[in-house]
Amino acid sequence: KNEVEQSPQNLTAQEGEFITINCSYSVGISALHWLQQHPGGGIVSLFMLSSGKKKHGRLIATINIQEKHSSLHITASHPRDSAVYICAVEWVSGGGADGLTFGKGTHLIIQP
Amino acid sequence: KAGVTQTPRYLIKTRGQQVTLSCSPISGHRSVSWYQQTPGQGLQFLFEYFSETQRNKGNFPGRFSGRQFSNSRSEMNVSTLELGDSALYLCASSLNLDRINEQFFGPGTRLTVL
Repeated sequence: KNEVEQSPQNLTAQEGEFITINCSYSVGISALHWLQQHPGGGIVSLFMLSSGKKKHGRLIATINIQEKHSSLHITASHPRDSAVYICAVEWVSGGGADGLTFGKGTHLIIQP
Repeated sequence: KAGVTQTPRYLIKTRGQQVTLSCSPISGHRSVSWYQQTPGQGLQFLFEYFSETQRNKGNFPGRFSGRQFSNSRSEMNVSTLELGDSALYLCASSLNLDRINEQFFGPGTRLTVL
């Protein structure tokens, strides 16, 4: 079964710290998505990657296709970054038939 | 530009009943995907519709079905509700101009089955 693994599951940090969330997947993908979910359920798409690195404000996402691994970094973290961060992939083998497969999410709390 | 809207936002049903949830995508988006989120299983893909056709389907029983209308609005239906169907149901729309598409999520419908 194709799987997506995220680590850590829970992370508590102090305001201003540099945050890294990791995502590993089992087989080839055509794209990887990083999503943010706030309490109450709303999900926001942060990044969509198929290679390399993307940056948006204080958020940076990288992907290493050979190692089947992606990281999401938050610089100068702030309490408003507290949320669940979810990694999701589109498998190459499924030809799109599998939709998105999600990791279990990383629950991030930034304390002031 | 209005975002993805879902109705109703909250719903309480009893076992054995059926339910229909609605999703209106962002104007111009032709693809709508549905997802189920539960504390135990996390987020799982239900199905995707594009131009009124179901393109992809996740591993859910036939009690879960959906459709898409010519204006891209989509509905999903769950028949013979079970307690385990209690979940947050999310829909997401995308332009679907090529294979890799950013998805825009709605606020979700929280379904409780008693």
